[in-house]
Amino acid sequence: QKEVEQNSGPLSVPEGAIASLNCTYSDRGSQSFFWYRQYSGKSPELIMSIYSNGDKEDGRFTAQLNKASQYVSLLIRDSQPSDSATYLCAVSSGNTPLVFGKGTRLSVIA
Amino acid sequence: GAGVSQSPSNKVTEKGKDVELRCDPISGHTALYWYRQSLGQGLEFLIYFQGNSAPDKSGLPSDRFSAERTGGSVSTLTIQRTQQEDSAVYLCASSRAGDFQETQYFGPGTRLLVL
Repeated sequence: QKEVEQNSGPLSVPEGAIASLNCTYSDRGSQSFFWYRQYSGKSPELIMSIYSNGDKEDGRFTAQLNKASQYVSLLIRDSQPSDSATYLCAVSSGNTPLVFGKGTRLSVIA
Repeated sequence: GAGVSQSPSNKVTEKGKDVELRCDPISGHTALYWYRQSLGQGLEFLIYFQGNSAPDKSGLPSDRFSAERTGGSVSTLTIQRTQQEDSAVYLCASSRAGDFQETQYFGPGTRLLVL
């Protein structure tokens, strides 16, 4: 059974701080890693995708992947109240469906 | 351009009734995915279409669930003899190709409540 684990939270950070969201996965053959943001009552939207070890930056968001440790993280710099949402980690081995974690709820306090 | 659309947005039904949920993917997207999200849970994969064929039906929870896709476009997810445990948000997503490395774009979902 392929599993993706996330701390459910809530993770509370003050406005302007760095939010760090973590995800571990069980399938060593995983090749593709995604972070989706889901606002309450809305559908998920893609924030970042990462496929190779290291960091990938896009604006205030940085995804970090460590395949040896089977660990992927998302950093949000200068957190804003509008970043308050549930963040879903999703993993695929390339030819198998995405496996989603249950998500981490982030609350940015103004 | 239009995104993924789903209908109905909300559905309340009685236990034992059949329901049909519809998904209209982004134009030109060949791959279509159905997921289920129960309260406080992650997304559960149900079924995937590449064109009109379904290479992977592994996530369908029981034989009460079926899906079809016609014309490489619209898909319908049918739940027969609904049970209370079927209550969830059913999400549809599409991607340009049937490669799970591609970005999937989600529709707004259908909230199903079985009484």
